[in-house]
Amino acid sequence: DQQVKQNSPSLSVQEGRISILNCDYTNSMFDYFLWYKKYPAEGPTFLISISSIKDKNEDGRFTVFLNKSAKHLSLHIVPSQPGDSAVYFCAASRQAGTALIFGKGTTLSVSS
Amino acid sequence: DTAVSQTPKYLVTQMGNDKSIKCEQNLGHDTMYWYKQDSKKFLKIMFSYNNKELIINETVPNRFSPKSPDKAHLNLHINSLELGDSAVYFCASRSAGTGELFFGEGSRLTVL
Repeated sequence: DQQVKQNSPSLSVQEGRISILNCDYTNSMFDYFLWYKKYPAEGPTFLISISSIKDKNEDGRFTVFLNKSAKHLSLHIVPSQPGDSAVYFCAASRQAGTALIFGKGTTLSVSS
Repeated sequence: DTAVSQTPKYLVTQMGNDKSIKCEQNLGHDTMYWYKQDSKKFLKIMFSYNNKELIINETVPNRFSPKSPDKAHLNLHINSLELGDSAVYFCASRSAGTGELFFGEGSRLTVL
């Protein structure tokens, strides 16, 4: 049973445009959400996080939005750059200290 | 200076063999994890250790045995390898403050 779902396996965007990656979760106990980025042959690296007390967190070109009532979060990247091409994983946990549950990932391709 | 390092990076072996993957972190974190990324690309939690004690053991066959000699190391030993064990195994450690996971580069295990 997937508690964290990323229903789009891939996304293609042109350089300079906005990339929007979506994530849905089913467990209402989740209160901490993270996005990870993964290049081939490397481990996932932390990108940005948000706790359930917020609905938006911004870090440079990256913004995460959380809609608790819809159990949905999204990652916005603007402007997108070719170096952003990677697999993006959404992850959630019940507290900041417990194990992260990951989605299946979305492969983002940014073309120049 | 690598924060979370795993060895070996690649491992090819025959069915029925026993193999180990080592993991070390120099971040001073108390909690370490093993995740498995299978052919469907899901990142699934396998084990979690906090300060050398097992705190999470997902439904993993008992052929898999984690060993934590100290809080900076979490090794994974696999007995009687099966074809289905072929995957990329990621070690991670967690920051108690932010809840962020730091991943190693992964160890790709291929069972023939």
